[in-house]
Amino acid sequence: AAGVIQSPRHLIKEKRETATLKCYPIPRHDTVYWYQQGPGQDPQFLISFYEKMQSDKGSIPDRFSAQQFSDYHSELNMSSLELGDSALYFCASSPKPDGKNIQYFGAGTRLSVL
Amino acid sequence: GEDVEQSLFLSVREGDSSVINCTYTDSSSTYLYWYKQEPGAGLQLLTYIFSNMDMKQDQRLTVLLNKKDKHLSLRIADTQTGDSAIYFCAASKGGNNNDMRFGAGTRLTVKP
Repeated sequence: AAGVIQSPRHLIKEKRETATLKCYPIPRHDTVYWYQQGPGQDPQFLISFYEKMQSDKGSIPDRFSAQQFSDYHSELNMSSLELGDSALYFCASSPKPDGKNIQYFGAGTRLSVL
Repeated sequence: GEDVEQSLFLSVREGDSSVINCTYTDSSSTYLYWYKQEPGAGLQLLTYIFSNMDMKQDQRLTVLLNKKDKHLSLRIADTQTGDSAIYFCAASKGGNNNDMRFGAGTRLTVKP
């Protein structure tokens, strides 16, 4: 079965650079979530989109922005990168809301900021 | 996460049963989930339970929910070395908003 695809798997950037992370949800899933997981931490919710509109916002810094496109894929744009942005970034998708809030996670993008 | 708490480590021998415990604070949590994360990988949904259930079994996995005590457990029968991973407990009120709260994760080590 198709899963959530994230690209790239690994990304190395320097301070103050920008990064773009991509997420392709499971087919027919219209909701996408972004999470940040620091070393040894639990995933922290950043932002979510439903039907291409932002549906919920968590602890996403102002330097980050995201959007969901007409084909339901999503991109997380990160600017003025800081050392503390080094983390694993997960995307998750879920099907049409049925109340269960079941989220299927991608393998993640490991961002290292040097 | 402080809303959902788990012990950080568990070590068992291959073939034994593992029990990973989780407590949550929000009594209006409707769905409770268990995710597995292997090194360098994403979170894999193992199972979930609706709050009106007290038990759910799926092959080697048994989930027990004590709603009164806000306590959730995951039992893995006949634990194998391939079960070594971090197990995250999560809670949600359900619905369309993303209010999923994760615990800090329990690192399960299975010794041969």
